[in-house]
Amino acid sequence: AQTVTQSQPEMSVQEAETVTLSCTYDTSESDYYLFWYKQPPSRQMILVIRQEAYKQQNATENRFSVNFQKAAKSFSLKISDSQLGDAAMYFCAYRRGCCRDDKIIFGKGTRLHILP
Amino acid sequence: EAGVVQSPRYKIIEKKQPVAFWCNPISGHNTLYWYLQNLGQGPELLIRYENEEAVDDSQLPKDRFSAERLKGVDSTLKIQPAELGDSAVYLCASSSGGNTEAFFGQGTRLTVV
Repeated sequence: AQTVTQSQPEMSVQEAETVTLSCTYDTSESDYYLFWYKQPPSRQMILVIRQEAYKQQNATENRFSVNFQKAAKSFSLKISDSQLGDAAMYFCAYRRGCCRDDKIIFGKGTRLHILP
Repeated sequence: EAGVVQSPRYKIIEKKQPVAFWCNPISGHNTLYWYLQNLGQGPELLIRYENEEAVDDSQLPKDRFSAERLKGVDSTLKIQPAELGDSAVYLCASSSGGNTEAFFGQGTRLTVV
């Protein structure tokens, strides 16, 4: 069975600084997708960034980038120039690539605090 | 384009009472998911639909939970009777074959007293 582990329940960062959130996963599949979702107090899960396992290049979306280490099964999220609006719960998530619209498996989340 | 719409946003009920949640997915999305999110935890899948068919309901407590998606569009999740431990956020999401991610609604926060 696939699992996603986030070992940092909470993190804090000063505004404008850089923070990295950690995630590891376990799977025997070779084709899969990895995601970081953000959940603000409004509760709506918002996709931050996506990585296809077959791509060696790390995904980047503006201030958000990932460090995808396939052999180590590690998928960390780096947030640069942190802003107050980045404060939220962040969930690392996994989906098999074999099966169309398969379920997404989530980690337990990391609560990110932004210090002004 | 409208996103995933859920209602109600909040619901408070007494234990042993029934409750229902409604979800309207993004237009054209064939796959619909119901997730349960306990406080401080990540979402966990309850049931997944492909059109009208429930293709993964292994985590749905069938003694008290039921779901339907009659016309392959909107869906209803029901709990009867509710227990104190059912207090949580119920999230609905949808996706299509052309996307790799799922899109989520704002969820329903259920409190059972």
